[in-house]
Amino acid sequence: KAGVTQTPRYLIKTRGQQVTLSCSPISGHRSVSWYQQTPGQGLQFLFEYFSETQRNKGNFPGRFSGRQFSNSRSEMNVSTLELGDSALYLCASSPGGVFQETQYFGPGTRLLVL
Amino acid sequence: GESVGLHLPTLSVQEGDNSIINCAYSNSASDYFIWYKQESGKGPQFIIDIRSNMDKRQGQRVTVLLNKTVKHLSLQIAATQPGDSAVYFCAEGMDTGRRALTFGSGTRLQVQP
Repeated sequence: KAGVTQTPRYLIKTRGQQVTLSCSPISGHRSVSWYQQTPGQGLQFLFEYFSETQRNKGNFPGRFSGRQFSNSRSEMNVSTLELGDSALYLCASSPGGVFQETQYFGPGTRLLVL
Repeated sequence: GESVGLHLPTLSVQEGDNSIINCAYSNSASDYFIWYKQESGKGPQFIIDIRSNMDKRQGQRVTVLLNKTVKHLSLQIAATQPGDSAVYFCAEGMDTGRRALTFGSGTRLQVQP
């Protein structure tokens, strides 16, 4: 099976712009979670989508949003970018069952905000 | 390569030695624990997991130990190889409520040839 894929791999934006990142989960996986990774804060949970619905949400401002499509692919959007949004954005997929499952990560999208 | 963390604790071992990476987790209600390995420029890679009803689980060259009394998790890597050099994260999660993983700050493992 192909792993989790994320596009684009690298992105440079300026403050105030918005950005959309894409994630394709492992085939058959219905849960997609997004994480932000920075040197200062480490890996932090953004949100999780399952069957096109946001099932869990982390402690990030409303500028961070996401959605999931019927094929389980997911996008996350950050509006009004700030310098502090520079980070590696990671997507992880899992089957989406009742119990906590192993989440498999993609390579990430490196976002630089200037 | 990309820096995962600028001030991570570092464990330096000789090739062939055994490595032990420790992690203190925060939530006594957590019932699922995972170790991930992250190499420069890549996403975290699953190594091994353990549920709270176990205190030890073994994989290929790796063993995870869980001590719920003191909320401590460890990863043992046998016969460490240069390819094991990476940042290692422990993560905790719960089967109920919010299902997000909470990650530790990571430990950098450097294997000296």
